[in-house]
Amino acid sequence: GDSVTQMEGPVTLSEEAFLTINCTYTATGYPSLFWYVQYPGEGLQLLLKATKADDKGSNKGFEATYRKETTSFHLEKGSVQVSDSAVYFCALSETGFQKLVFGTGTRLLVSP
Amino acid sequence: KAGVTQTPRYLIKTRGQQVTLSCSPISGHRSVSWYQQTPGQGLQFLFEYFSETQRNKGNFPGRFSGRQFSNSRSEMNVSTLELGDSALYLCASSYGLAGADTQYFGPGTRLTVL
Repeated sequence: GDSVTQMEGPVTLSEEAFLTINCTYTATGYPSLFWYVQYPGEGLQLLLKATKADDKGSNKGFEATYRKETTSFHLEKGSVQVSDSAVYFCALSETGFQKLVFGTGTRLLVSP
Repeated sequence: KAGVTQTPRYLIKTRGQQVTLSCSPISGHRSVSWYQQTPGQGLQFLFEYFSETQRNKGNFPGRFSGRQFSNSRSEMNVSTLELGDSALYLCASSYGLAGADTQYFGPGTRLTVL
């Protein structure tokens, strides 16, 4: 079945550092890929998405590129802020289905 | 536009009881999905409804059920509660059925089973 693998956390960074959170996937078809963020005590918020190969999703300084050849969708940000501290989830959904398959989540801690 | 709302936000039940959780999707959204989030299993898909029909179901026992009403509001029910059902239950809505459609999540219902 479909699956998503994320790097283990927590990822601990200083403010203004560069962020990369790795995400790879296994899917039978051509899925859409998503990054969601969860702040403490809240639900999930969509951060960005990409629906086909070579698409780049971007939002609030975060970027991720859909790489079909490496089945990856790594999340990057050039300069993190303390307010970016949260749990980040990579997810996929197959064409025609609304079922999201999530990775285990990566906790990001940014210190001043 | 108002977001996805879930009620109640917190619930405490005892083993053997049953519980009903409610979800109101974003206005105009016709697809509603439910997910269970636990520290051990992470985020797992429960089921998805579109136009009052269950389209997809995750790997959960029959104690977990749901339904969708004509106004797209959805409820999920868990009968004969077990300690392992303690979790954050998240509802998500989307406009259509395409896998590329963004799912918007509610704040969740935190269920504690004692």
